[in-house]
Amino acid sequence: AQSVAQPEDQVNVAEGNPLTVKCTYSVSGNPYLFWYVQYPNRGLQFLLKYITGDNLVKGSYGFEAEFNKSQTSFHLKKPSALVSDSALYFCAVREGGYQKVTFGIGTKLQVIP
Amino acid sequence: GAGVSQSPRYKVAKRGQDVALRCDPISGHVSLFWYQQALGQGPEFLTYFQNEAQLDKSGLPSDRFFAERPEGSVSTLKIQRTQQEDSAVYLCASSFRGGGNEQYFGPGTRLTVT
Repeated sequence: AQSVAQPEDQVNVAEGNPLTVKCTYSVSGNPYLFWYVQYPNRGLQFLLKYITGDNLVKGSYGFEAEFNKSQTSFHLKKPSALVSDSALYFCAVREGGYQKVTFGIGTKLQVIP
Repeated sequence: GAGVSQSPRYKVAKRGQDVALRCDPISGHVSLFWYQQALGQGPEFLTYFQNEAQLDKSGLPSDRFFAERPEGSVSTLKIQRTQQEDSAVYLCASSFRGGGNEQYFGPGTRLTVT
């Protein structure tokens, strides 16, 4: 069975500082990995994905994520946080060959002015 | 262009009532997913359609839950004899093809069972 862990309920970071939101996963085969963001009173929005290829993937709004197979991690990063980045972030995994996507419980990112 | 739409946005049902939740995916999107999101949790997979075919319904919590997509576009999630534990936000998402593509989510339907 596939699973995702987001070990931090909340991450606080000062505006302008780099941010990291952690995610680890478990699948039997090759993983497809995703990050989604949920702003208040808005639907989930796709940020970025890893399917294959370069371990560092770049996505929307300046976010990037690094796939680390040995550590089964896919941490979300941004070099300089903005107050507008404050939102709920979800990591998700899908095992190749299957359509079911499993989401983590989410990490609330708070960027402090 | 138009995104994924869901209706109603809010639904209050008395325990034991049947409800039907509608999803209009993005035109041309082959894949459609339903999720249940409880308060403070991530979306939990319910079921997956490829066109009109329901290929995975492993996440449906009981036989009270039923989903259909008869013409490969609009989908309906029906819950019979609602229970309090069914209270949640029900999310619909569509993607151009399968789960390897990013999903586009609707705003959700918040169901409250009293």
